[in-house]
Amino acid sequence: QKEVEQNSGPLSVPEGAIASLNCTYSDRGSQSFFWYRQYSGKSPELIMFIYSNGDKEDGRFTAQLNKASQYVSLLIRDSQPSDSATYLCAVTGTASKLTFGTGTRLQVTL
Amino acid sequence: KAGVTQTPRYLIKTRGQQVTLSCSPISGHRSVSWYQQTPGQGLQFLFEYFSETQRNKGNFPGRFSGRQFSNSRSEMNVSTLELGDSALYLCASSLRQGANEQFFGPGTRLTVL
Repeated sequence: QKEVEQNSGPLSVPEGAIASLNCTYSDRGSQSFFWYRQYSGKSPELIMFIYSNGDKEDGRFTAQLNKASQYVSLLIRDSQPSDSATYLCAVTGTASKLTFGTGTRLQVTL
Repeated sequence: KAGVTQTPRYLIKTRGQQVTLSCSPISGHRSVSWYQQTPGQGLQFLFEYFSETQRNKGNFPGRFSGRQFSNSRSEMNVSTLELGDSALYLCASSLRQGANEQFFGPGTRLTVL
C-alpha cells in the first residue's frame, strides 16, 4: 500500500463547476496535510495546508480532513481553465518527512 | 521577499560523472529539503538540513549527499551518475525543521547521458 494515494486522473470538470480532489494516507500518526499545485514544467506551489479535522477555506479552495478515515480532500469552487494542473497531496508522517502522492491531473474545460 | 533559488537550472552530464546542485532558501528560512521528481516515481524525499545538520533522510543510495552552510544555503551532490538519476531536483525551504509548510524552488533539470 502506498503511503499517500491519489487518483492520477485526468479529472475533467467544466468551467464554473466544483472540482473535488481526493487523497488517502496510510500513517495514522500523520499530523500535517498539504495541497500543492504543479503546472506542467514548473515546480510545486503550496496552495493549502490543514492540521485539524474539518474544513479550511481559502478563497475558492477548501481543504477537508478526516483523520479517522485517513482522508484529505481539496475542493475548488468555480473552476477556471487556469486551475488546470496536477494537484499533489502531501502528508507529514511520524518520521517528520513530507511524503507526496503521485498527483491528480485536473482539466477544466470551456 | 525573494523566493527559493536553485542553480543551475539545467545540467547535462555523462554516466560516471558527479554533479553539485545549489539551493538558496527564502530569507529567514533555516530548513532546506531536497526532492527528486521523475515521471515514474513522482516526488521523492532525499534529505532535510537544518542548522547545518542533516535531520532526516530518504531511501536513496549513499551516492546522494548534501550539506548546509551557516547562511542556510544548501548543496546537493550526486557522485558516479547513473542514467536513472536523470530527473528534476527540487529544493524546498521552510522556517522550521520537520516538514511544515515548504516552498519550492524552480528546480534543476539533470540529464544523464
